[in-house]
Amino acid sequence: GQQVMQIPQYQHVQEGEDFTTYCNSSTTLSNIQWYKQRPGGHPVFLIQLVKSGEVKKQKRLTFQFGEAKKNSSLHITATQTTDVGTYFCAGPITGNQFYFGTGTSLTVIP
Amino acid sequence: DGGITQSPKYLFRKEGQNVTLSCEQNLNHDAMYWYRQDPGQGLRLIYYSQIVNDFQKGDIAEGYSVSREKKESFPLTVTSAQKNPTAFYLCASSITGFEKLFFGSGTQLSVL
Repeated sequence: GQQVMQIPQYQHVQEGEDFTTYCNSSTTLSNIQWYKQRPGGHPVFLIQLVKSGEVKKQKRLTFQFGEAKKNSSLHITATQTTDVGTYFCAGPITGNQFYFGTGTSLTVIP
Repeated sequence: DGGITQSPKYLFRKEGQNVTLSCEQNLNHDAMYWYRQDPGQGLRLIYYSQIVNDFQKGDIAEGYSVSREKKESFPLTVTSAQKNPTAFYLCASSITGFEKLFFGSGTQLSVL
């Protein structure tokens, strides 16, 4: 069954509002990665978090890795239309099998 | 220009037919993956390979087969046993297996 869950599945925001997606794993992860997939495109790597409690920022994007290394979040401040897409978390669960979360589809209304 | 190339971009399968999706990378990566993407279900792992001549099943390997005869190539065959093959198929690679994944542009497979 699905071992990496993401919520929400869909999110519609007005441009300028903030957005957060949450990722939860049933097992401890050695690291977690985040990807963005634009409509009609393929996933593109955004960032990798390795340490417990780690926080990383990329401009308006803030990524967090939970203390227990079982959950993570991506927060976007003041969304723009260029942020549209589906955001996936992914982590190695067993061996080198990378399991992806179900994804959060973000729509930004101008 | 380094990267992963998937072909074809669109593929149509007739009932009872096997079809093969190509995936080639020139990144010198050891690990390669095949994922299936259905709307609203995210990416599900079909097969992965860490080294040449070795590959492992993912969660949804039934009805699919792969080979890894060369480091650069990891073709996926969708067999007639796969009763619901319509999906977007993504190939990916990483340096050794725990690093970031690089994805190809995908193949959309549909059934005629």
